[in-house]
Amino acid sequence: NAGVTQTPKFQVLKTGQSMTLQCAQDMNHNSMYWYRQDPGMGLRLIYYSASEGTTDKGEVPNGYNVSRLNKREFSLRLESAAPSQTSVYFCASSEAPMGVAYEQYFGPGTRLTVT
Amino acid sequence: KQEVTQIPAALSVPEGENLVLNCSFTDSAIYNLQWFRQDPGKGLTSLLLIQSSQREQTSGRLNASLDKSSGRSTLYIAASQPGDSATYLCAVKEGGKLIFGQGTELSVKP
Repeated sequence: NAGVTQTPKFQVLKTGQSMTLQCAQDMNHNSMYWYRQDPGMGLRLIYYSASEGTTDKGEVPNGYNVSRLNKREFSLRLESAAPSQTSVYFCASSEAPMGVAYEQYFGPGTRLTVT
Repeated sequence: KQEVTQIPAALSVPEGENLVLNCSFTDSAIYNLQWFRQDPGKGLTSLLLIQSSQREQTSGRLNASLDKSSGRSTLYIAASQPGDSATYLCAVKEGGKLIFGQGTELSVKP
């Protein structure tokens, strides 16, 4: 009963390094999302994928790229990490495209520190 | 621009007390409202989802209400237990995304 899984759980990067955060869901959901959570800022949407083959920007997309590899997997890439990207990153999925009223299910998060 | 506010930011109560957490939003044009629980260092767990056409939802000791016209939702927790200690977040679904409040950190003392 995995639900939404994320790897890695923790990561420390140096400024300028790149990395990819992986997310997979086993619920056959159409839509997937990437959020970041920062103290005092709450959760903010970075990118989302309403369905396989589509991606769209959220509230804070600068500095990130995403790939919807297939229906199960949605990755988030930092091409040149900056200290401002130190955060906890959450992946989520839902059954239906963004505009329909369905629940979102969240992964356990990736704690990223950029020094 | 939709804004979601949760008051208070933190709440401490003795075990057994009934309590209410508040969530307010500025634009009533929402698809639904979802309440989540987040334990320290963990992800979010969905507790209740209220569709825009509904007034309330119940699950066990939890009851969530929605009043779109006033832009408010409440999460009622009956007979609180130390295991209820966590941060509770509400989020409204507007157009293409969820907009989160900053959460209420609840501590239930034995």
